[in-house]
Amino acid sequence: AQSVTQLGSHVSVSEGALVLLRCNYSSSVPPYLFWYVQYPNQGLQLLLKYTTGATLVKGINGFEAEFKKSETSFHLTKPSAHMSDAAEYFCAVSESNAGNMLTFGGGTRLMVKP
Amino acid sequence: DTGVSQDPRHKITKRGQNVTFRCDPISEHNRLYWYRQTLGQGPEFLTYFQNEAQLEKSRLLSDRFSAERPKGSFSTLEIQRTEQGDSAMYLCASSYSGGADTGELFFGEGSRLTVL
Repeated sequence: AQSVTQLGSHVSVSEGALVLLRCNYSSSVPPYLFWYVQYPNQGLQLLLKYTTGATLVKGINGFEAEFKKSETSFHLTKPSAHMSDAAEYFCAVSESNAGNMLTFGGGTRLMVKP
Repeated sequence: DTGVSQDPRHKITKRGQNVTFRCDPISEHNRLYWYRQTLGQGPEFLTYFQNEAQLEKSRLLSDRFSAERPKGSFSTLEIQRTEQGDSAMYLCASSYSGGADTGELFFGEGSRLTVL
């Protein structure tokens, strides 16, 4: 069975500050890992994904995440927050041989202060 | 627009009534998924189809819930005898399984159910 834990249901940063959203996972097989973003009244949008290969992955809007197998982590970062980054962020895992069924974490709401 | 579309976007019903949601996936996608999202939580997997075959169902999918994808294209999710606990956002997603499969799911905007 697979699971995802997102530490911190709410994170607040100042505009221009570093964004760090934490995600830890458990999986019995090599995982595929994803970060999705959800803006109010909109569907989930893929930010970035790790499947195989390079462990540092870059996504849209300046976000990146690093897969660390030894720490079972896939934390999301952005060097400088923008007001438009305020949204709900979800980390998700799928087992690479399991038909793309994603298991999501509980989400982290990012607030950006001016 | 060639994304995943869901209808209706919002449904308000009284307890005990039946409701049906429809999902139209991206046309070339052979996999279709239903998820449920309650306020402040991440999406929870309900069921998925590969073409017209329903391959997996979550324990969350009680016998009041039924999903179909009769021709391997659009899908419906029906909830019978709705309860207040069914109030949630029902999300549909689709993906393509094949040589270039990267596991990404494409989500619709969801159908919000409110049971009074």
